[in-house]
Amino acid sequence: AAGVIQSPRHLIKEKRETATLKCYPIPRHDTVYWYQQGPGQDPQFLISFYEKMQSDKGSIPDRFSAQQFSDYHSELNMSSLELGDSALYFCASSRQGWSNSPLHFGNGTRLTVT
Amino acid sequence: AQKITQTQPGMFVQEKEAVTLDCTYDTSDQSYGLFWYKQPSSGEMIFLIYQGSYDEQNATEGRYSLNFQKARKSANLVISASQLGDSAMYFCAMSPSNYQLIWGAGTKLIIKP
Repeated sequence: AAGVIQSPRHLIKEKRETATLKCYPIPRHDTVYWYQQGPGQDPQFLISFYEKMQSDKGSIPDRFSAQQFSDYHSELNMSSLELGDSALYFCASSRQGWSNSPLHFGNGTRLTVT
Repeated sequence: AQKITQTQPGMFVQEKEAVTLDCTYDTSDQSYGLFWYKQPSSGEMIFLIYQGSYDEQNATEGRYSLNFQKARKSANLVISASQLGDSAMYFCAMSPSNYQLIWGAGTKLIIKP
């Protein structure tokens, strides 16, 4: 079965650079979520989109932005990177009506800021 | 406040034994979902099992079952016949009505051969 696809798997950037993470949800899933997981921590919710519109916002810094495109893929744009942005970034997708649709996660993008 | 509590930071279990990972939750919502995810050292987040608050029967998925006790607000994960490949971090999570996930701190499970 198709899963959530994230790219790239690994990304190394320097401070103050920008990064773009991509996410392709499971076909027919209409909701995309972005999470950030620091070392030894549980995932922190950043932002979500339902049907290409932002549906919920968590602890996403102003330096980050995200959008969902017409083909339902989503991109997380991160600017003025800081050392503390080093983390595992997950994208997840689900179908609206969560009671029978758990969040399915991609394999994550490991971002290292040096 | 909505919260997930996993009281076991780490567990060692002998291969082939059953293991129970504890999870308690706190919410005032009537409708919610409870999830368990497995995160191996490679980092991916793997969905294991789901329980809806209105489901009367405990969820089961292969070797995984969820011991759902609504009155006690607990949703323990039971893994039968543990395998070496079960060694991983296990997260309990709750989805209240706003579609976000609230996560527990996780339990690191190590299966001993």
